[in-house]
Amino acid sequence: AQTVTQSQPEMSVQEAETVTLSCTYDTSESDYYLFWYKQPPSRQMILVIRQEAYKQQNATENRFSVNFQKAAKSFSLKISDSQLGDAAMYFCAYKGIQGAQKLVFGQGTRLTINP
Amino acid sequence: KAGVTQTPRYLIKTRGQQVTLSCSPISGHRSVSWYQQTPGQGLQFLFEYFSETQRNKGNFPGRFSGRQFSNSRSEMNVSTLELGDSALYLCASSPRTSPTGELFFGEGSRLTVL
Repeated sequence: AQTVTQSQPEMSVQEAETVTLSCTYDTSESDYYLFWYKQPPSRQMILVIRQEAYKQQNATENRFSVNFQKAAKSFSLKISDSQLGDAAMYFCAYKGIQGAQKLVFGQGTRLTINP
Repeated sequence: KAGVTQTPRYLIKTRGQQVTLSCSPISGHRSVSWYQQTPGQGLQFLFEYFSETQRNKGNFPGRFSGRQFSNSRSEMNVSTLELGDSALYLCASSPRTSPTGELFFGEGSRLTVL
């Protein structure tokens, strides 16, 4: 079974600074998706960024980028120029390519932005 | 395009009662999956429905059940409620054969069991 681990329950960063959230996972599959979802106090899970395992190039979405290390099974999220609106719970998630539309989530990291 | 809609947003029940939660997926999405979110256990997969059939099920007791209708709307039911069933229940939809693999979430139904 796949597992996802986020070792940082809480992180804080100064506004405009850069922060990196860590995620490791375990799987025996060679093809899969990895995601970072954001859950603000409004509760709705919002996709921040995704990575297909077969792509070696790290995904980037504006101020958000990932460091995907397939051999190490590591998938960290870097947020540049942090903004107050980035404050939320961040969840790392895994999904296999085939079959179930089932996400396996990490425990989450609560990110606080200090003005 | 409307997003995933979950109803009700909040509800309070007492132990032993049963509850039904509803999820309307994004138009054109035929897969609906359900997740339970609690502070202690985090986000856990309950089950997935596609084409009115349960395709996958997580490790939850038989008190948790669901169904999907021909218009892809889904309901989940929890019978004989226990205090530990208090949680945020999230629904997610997808086309199932999506090149991005992304699931789209609703805002959730917050269930409190007293």
